[in-house]
This record gives sequence, C-alpha cells and structure tokens, in this order.
Amino acid sequence: EIVLTQSPGTLSLSPGERATLSCRASETVSSNYLAWYQQRPGQAPSLLIYGASTRATGIPDRFSGSGSGTDFTLTISRLDPEDFAVYYCQQFGSSPLTFGGGTKVEIK
Amino acid sequence: QVQLVQSGAEVKKPGSSVKVSCKASGGIFRSNALSWVRQAPGQGLEWMGGIIAIFGTANYAQRFQDRVTITADESTSTVYMELRSLRSEDTAVYYCVRSTGYHLTNNWFDAWGQGTLVTVSS
Repeated sequence: EIVLTQSPGTLSLSPGERATLSCRASETVSSNYLAWYQQRPGQAPSLLIYGASTRATGIPDRFSGSGSGTDFTLTISRLDPEDFAVYYCQQFGSSPLTFGGGTKVEIK
Repeated sequence: QVQLVQSGAEVKKPGSSVKVSCKASGGIFRSNALSWVRQAPGQGLEWMGGIIAIFGTANYAQRFQDRVTITADESTSTVYMELRSLRSEDTAVYYCVRSTGYHLTNNWFDAWGQGTLVTVSS
C-alpha cells in the first residue's frame, strides 16, 4: 500500500499570500497518477488537479500542481477567501487507492 | 452533468449492518468505476473499495475485505455499499465517488455524492 504523507498539517496564511502544500509518497507513484482535492467545511471533496499537474475543468490558474515519483506539490499562488479549506492528495496508480491525511489552509 | 445521489442518514446499533445506495445519472453507468470513500468525524478520507460496473467485479481495501460488499444494479444505475458488524468506529460520512474510466486504478475521481452519515451507537 502506498502511504501518502502531507505536510504541513495546518497552514496559516492571509488572503493574497502564496500557499505551498507537500505530498510525499512511500514509493513511486506510477505514471504520476496523483490527484489533489479540495474540501470546504460541510461539503464533499472536489477535484482540483489530476495527473500531478493538470487542472480540472473550471479550476482557476492560481492552482498548480507539480512533482513526480514520490514528491508532489500543490501551490496556490494568491489565496482567495474561498480557498481556505482542507486539501487532500490521492494516488490512483495502484490498489488500494490511498489519500494523504490532508492539509488545512486556514486564515491567519 | 454527472450526478450521484445517495440515500439518507442512518443510525445503527453495534453489530448490525447498513446498506447505503448511490444513484448515478447524467452519464453512462457501465463506463465508469464507482467507489466508496468514508470520512470519520474530523478525520481524513479513506477508500473502502469500488466496483467496475461493466464487469460487475468489486475490489476492496484489505481492512474492509471481510465486512463490506459493493454491488451494482445496472437497470437502475445504482450502486450499493453494505457494511456489516458495525462498531462505533464506523461512524462516518460515506461518499459514493465516480472514477473517470472503468478501471479503479489509472483513473481519478471526478464526481462525488453528497455523502451519507452513518452513526453507530447503542
């Protein structure tokens, strides 16, 4: 099973600041089969990024994904008030599918 | 527009079973795998297993292997998740999730149901 470790657990930032979230895998994620999801309070998660770096339809370009192998990053270039949420990475290259523990981006 | 509509909240006793349904609309049911992901209160996301509708075969995470059954009814475009021998730790929101293709691997999740809260309490 591929274990995904996200850091930091919580990120305290102000609107307009840059957020950098990390996701590290216990072994290589094949073909960069890694996705990022955003979950706002009381809502189901929603897709942001797939294939490590491809934005899903309708996702603003302030969100970007990068990385390969075992190290992946989600960057939010300028935080908008609606971006304060919890973010999860997920690998879909091998079964069982696994998620990271999440990073909460909160308002400072 | 794909829509996944799940059944309502449940309250169950320890040791009992629960069966949650998820009706899919707006897509071709057989073309996509459907999974169940759960989230305990204040916790992260956990994949339980999924079904490849076109083949009718299910794949489960090892920790749920003995207690969960995922089935699909193509005639109604509905997927079911049954969890048995419930314990308090199973209290969670259960999400039905669609993959972008018919394999569970190599496809990301592009649609989520609204979630079903299952509470296990004596």
